[in-house]
Amino acid sequence: DIQMTQSPSFLSASVGDRVTITCRASQGISGNLAWYHQKPGKAPNLLIYDASTLQSGVPSRFSGSGSGTDFTLTISSLQPGDFATYYCQQLDTYPFTFGPGTKVDIK
Amino acid sequence: QVQLVQSGAEVKDPGASVRISCKASGYTFTTYYLHWVRQAPGQGLEWMGIINAGGGGTTYVQKFQGRITMTRDTSTSTVFMEMSSLRSEDTAIYYCARIPFTGARGLAYWGQGTPVTVSS
Repeated sequence: DIQMTQSPSFLSASVGDRVTITCRASQGISGNLAWYHQKPGKAPNLLIYDASTLQSGVPSRFSGSGSGTDFTLTISSLQPGDFATYYCQQLDTYPFTFGPGTKVDIK
Repeated sequence: QVQLVQSGAEVKDPGASVRISCKASGYTFTTYYLHWVRQAPGQGLEWMGIINAGGGGTTYVQKFQGRITMTRDTSTSTVFMEMSSLRSEDTAIYYCARIPFTGARGLAYWGQGTPVTVSS
């Protein structure tokens, strides 16, 4: 199985900060990666698919990059609604594994 | 609009089975695969498997092999996930999900989640 790691696991930031989260796959997955955020008690919400394509309706402050094994999610200016847990997921090879998550909290 | 509506919360004894449904609407049911994802309390997301709503073919995570069965009913546009021999570690919220369009690599549409509690 492809293992997904994320760093950091926890991030404390302020409104307006630029935030970067990294996701690494244990083997190459081309661009077959998605990013989600999730708030307590809610289903995950797709932010980015195909590593860098912004999902319809998602604000442009979110962006994704990377290919192969190393990927990045960037939030250009953190907003109050962005405090959540962020997950990456590879959809290249079954099973479609998720990263362990990065919790973004208010500083 | 695409909607995935899941069945309600379940409470089960250890060793029992549970069957969760996910009713799709707003699109041609047989065009897409449906994924199942679970989340234990305070934990991350775990992908469990996938079913082709058209042909019915399935792929399961190896750890669940022999314990889960995913099926679909094209007449009601519903997929089902049944898990047997439940144990306390299966306590989680179970979600069905779908990609936004053919070829996209990401899960855009999610059911509301079905909480399953396994406790004696």
